[in-house]
Amino acid sequence: QSALTQPPSASGSPGQSVTISCTGTSSDVGGYNYVSWYQQHPGKAPKLMIYEVSKRPSGVPDRFSGSKSGNTASLTVSGLQAEDEADYYCSSYAGSNSHVFGTGTKVTVL
Amino acid sequence: EVQLVESGGGLVQPGGSLRLSCAASGFTFRSYWMHWVRQAPGKGLLWVSGMNSDGSSTTYADSVKGQFTISRDNAKNTLYLQMNSLRVEDTAVYYCARGGPFGRSSPDYWGQGTLVTVSS
Repeated sequence: QSALTQPPSASGSPGQSVTISCTGTSSDVGGYNYVSWYQQHPGKAPKLMIYEVSKRPSGVPDRFSGSKSGNTASLTVSGLQAEDEADYYCSSYAGSNSHVFGTGTKVTVL
Repeated sequence: EVQLVESGGGLVQPGGSLRLSCAASGFTFRSYWMHWVRQAPGKGLLWVSGMNSDGSSTTYADSVKGQFTISRDNAKNTLYLQMNSLRVEDTAVYYCARGGPFGRSSPDYWGQGTLVTVSS
């Protein structure tokens, strides 16, 4: 149950795109199409942005997109906006009804 | 509207116990897996435990196995987390989160969390 690996930080100017990686193993990210991404603003609860690798919950802008290749999943935020500045966490199903989160990435809008 | 409201957090001494509650509303509670996730101050998210819809199946992170017990009362739409032998490193905000109809579904809705502080 080791945490998935994410870069500590990422940044981009308004209107640009930023991509965050999430690396796991064949026992979690690579083994299941149950990767999710969460956005967390300071002092707030996480908010689901992407589920099942690339699906967006109702109300999430289509600027947010997800993908997966092998043991690495990615979240891309296109057309960066000031309100996108937050911490982002990936999560994956890890078998036996357990889940594992990523180490988190702080996204800064320059 | 889905709502999850945690309660029961507070200050407890090392070795002590605490029971967290999560009151659910706005959805058919008895149809969903439910989870507890914690976040130590300034740290990342850690999945703690999950329970299936009828309470017959539970899972735990290795770090809390044998120490924490998850349970639910579907008649009261409430999820619980019994925490025993608490350690300083258990200090965190504990979130209750709704899963899906299956254990592999990621948590979607989250409560606002309740802070547990373990300190002498």
